[in-house]
Amino acid sequence: AQTVTQSQPEMSVQEAETVTLSCTYDTSESDYYLFWYKQPPSRQMILVIRQEAYKQQNATENRFSVNFQKAAKSFSLKISDSQLGDAAMYFCAYRSKKSNTGKLIFGQGTTLQVKP
Amino acid sequence: NAGVTQTPKFRILKIGQSMTLQCTQDMNHNYMYWYRQDPGMGLKLIYYSVGAGITDKGEVPNGYNVSRSTTEDFPLRLELAAPSQTSVYFCASSATGTPGGNEQFFGPGTRLTVL
Repeated sequence: AQTVTQSQPEMSVQEAETVTLSCTYDTSESDYYLFWYKQPPSRQMILVIRQEAYKQQNATENRFSVNFQKAAKSFSLKISDSQLGDAAMYFCAYRSKKSNTGKLIFGQGTTLQVKP
Repeated sequence: NAGVTQTPKFRILKIGQSMTLQCTQDMNHNYMYWYRQDPGMGLKLIYYSVGAGITDKGEVPNGYNVSRSTTEDFPLRLELAAPSQTSVYFCASSATGTPGGNEQFFGPGTRLTVL
């Protein structure tokens, strides 16, 4: 069974600085998807970025980028030029391509605090 | 488009009571999911459906039931509520499971407290 681990329960960053959130996962599959979701205090789950395992190029969405290390099974999220609106809980999630169900497996989450 | 809507937003139940959490999506998605999120934790899959009339268990199905009579609706039924079911419940939908890595769209959640 696949698992996702986020070992940093809380992180903080100064506004305009850069922060990296860690995520590791365990799977025996070779092709899959990885996601980062943001959950602000409103509770709404918002997709931040996604990565396909067979794509070696790291995904980027504006100030958000990932460092995908397939061999190490690591998928970290880098937030550049942090803004107050980035304060939220961030979840890493895994989705199998083999299973035709689309189920997501979530990590425990990292709460990000942004200091003005 | 409203996306994924959930009702109610909040609910307090007494132990042993039953209730149905409603979920509706207007995106014509085949795949729908129910997750629960316990305090400070990630989301865990309760049940999912790959189309009308088809449902299956996720990681934590005990104490819950679902039905999927239409593409749009995917209600979650709690029978005999227990304090362990105190959680925030999220409904989600996506166009397909695979391929394509299609995004799951989430509803705003229902906060349920069982006392």
